[in-house]
Amino acid sequence: DTAVSQTPKYLVTQMGNDKSIKCEQNLGHDTMYWYKQDSKKFLKIMFSYNNKELIINETVPNRFSPKSPDKAHLNLHINSLELGDSAVYFCASSQGAGGAKLFFGSGTQLSVL
Amino acid sequence: DQQVKQNSPSLSVQEGRISILNCDYTNSMFDYFLWYKKYPAEGPTFLISISSIKDKNEDGRFTVFLNKSAKHLSLHIVPSQPGDSAVYFCAASLGGGADGLTFGKGTHLIIQP
Repeated sequence: DTAVSQTPKYLVTQMGNDKSIKCEQNLGHDTMYWYKQDSKKFLKIMFSYNNKELIINETVPNRFSPKSPDKAHLNLHINSLELGDSAVYFCASSQGAGGAKLFFGSGTQLSVL
Repeated sequence: DQQVKQNSPSLSVQEGRISILNCDYTNSMFDYFLWYKKYPAEGPTFLISISSIKDKNEDGRFTVFLNKSAKHLSLHIVPSQPGDSAVYFCAASLGGGADGLTFGKGTHLIIQP
């Protein structure tokens, strides 16, 4: 019973394809996030949702679209994948928008060929 | 523009000795600092945090020190154990909110037997 689970763990796909990464948390948290860890190992926030509403949308191409059907789920859909999208994507959650203690999923390694 | 810097990509320490991981930041508005620990193929997990109104916080073998005038914080682990081998990320936020968590690149700590 993983607290924050994301699927798939590995995703290998061709340039131009559309793919989705799913995330679910069973902690009862009301804020969820997507972070990206690039080749330089920086962890950068992409999106933040509080109670299904978008709070943060950092400078991310609009090919990336988060979708939150309910406060326990935050999925990430990526259109027209590019080589530069290859990275590890982490889902996370916290209690309240101001809660700095994040609980992370195990990550999705995306490789675009 | 790295606002949180971890200048040592890796650190090797003998088991039983003290491990000291360093972190520098440039934004004097940061008021809450956290350390996360990450094992391979897993997401980061929260380790310890400190508010800017304090200069030290201790939790078992882990102690975080904050020097606001130098914009520097450090994580001390004593005694170091093999299970401490992991990547440690320093993070900083404004207003204690996860919305503004800025991460460093991480330091890979290796505990040698």
